[in-house]
Amino acid sequence: SAVISQKPSRDICQRGTSLTIQCQVDSQVTMMFWYRQQPGQSLTLIATANQGSEATYESGFVIDKFPISRPNLTFSTLTVSNMSPEDSSIYLCSVSISTGGETQYFGPGTRLLVL
Amino acid sequence: RKEVEQDPGPFNVPEGATVAFNCTYSNSASQSFFWYRQDCRKEPKLLMSVYSSGNEDGRFTAQLNRASQYISLLIRDSKLSDSATYLCVVNMNTGFQKLVFGTGTRLLVSP
Repeated sequence: SAVISQKPSRDICQRGTSLTIQCQVDSQVTMMFWYRQQPGQSLTLIATANQGSEATYESGFVIDKFPISRPNLTFSTLTVSNMSPEDSSIYLCSVSISTGGETQYFGPGTRLLVL
Repeated sequence: RKEVEQDPGPFNVPEGATVAFNCTYSNSASQSFFWYRQDCRKEPKLLMSVYSSGNEDGRFTAQLNRASQYISLLIRDSKLSDSATYLCVVNMNTGFQKLVFGTGTRLLVSP
């Protein structure tokens, strides 16, 4: 597995502002992912972050709203831009470890509340 | 039809009971299947992968039925610490990794 950390662990933000979430992993990984988990719901993939290329976004998520950086193989950031209360959610990063399968391991998440 | 469907529960069982969760998936081309466990206010953690032949890890047994597009998780001798939400996860195999999560089945084990 991998040790994954996220910053901040939680935040309360005003609408219209932006928040950048950091994800750090203790080993080099090819693929990192960003998910959203809204209250009472399961996880939804926002985008896949590959080092050296633009992130690949899922349907319903766009780069202007959720810009992602992946400067190296151990780090990624997700920005939630121009926030509204509907963006209140838990944001989780995950990494894929090549163990012969496609197992993903998750960071502890960032709890975001937008007022 | 949802890509991954689970009964949300909750399943309330006494300690020592055997409980089974089911999950169905819509994409017949899916190749990889997993069960994750998520405790309240925590991140999901991998419980076990699900293989075609079925697999067992201690008190946990996972089964896959490709013909029916159906996955199951059996927990024997339930412990209080098994109380959590169990997420059925399917890799949709779209050329790269895309995990699709079910909404989860909540398990409450009582003394």
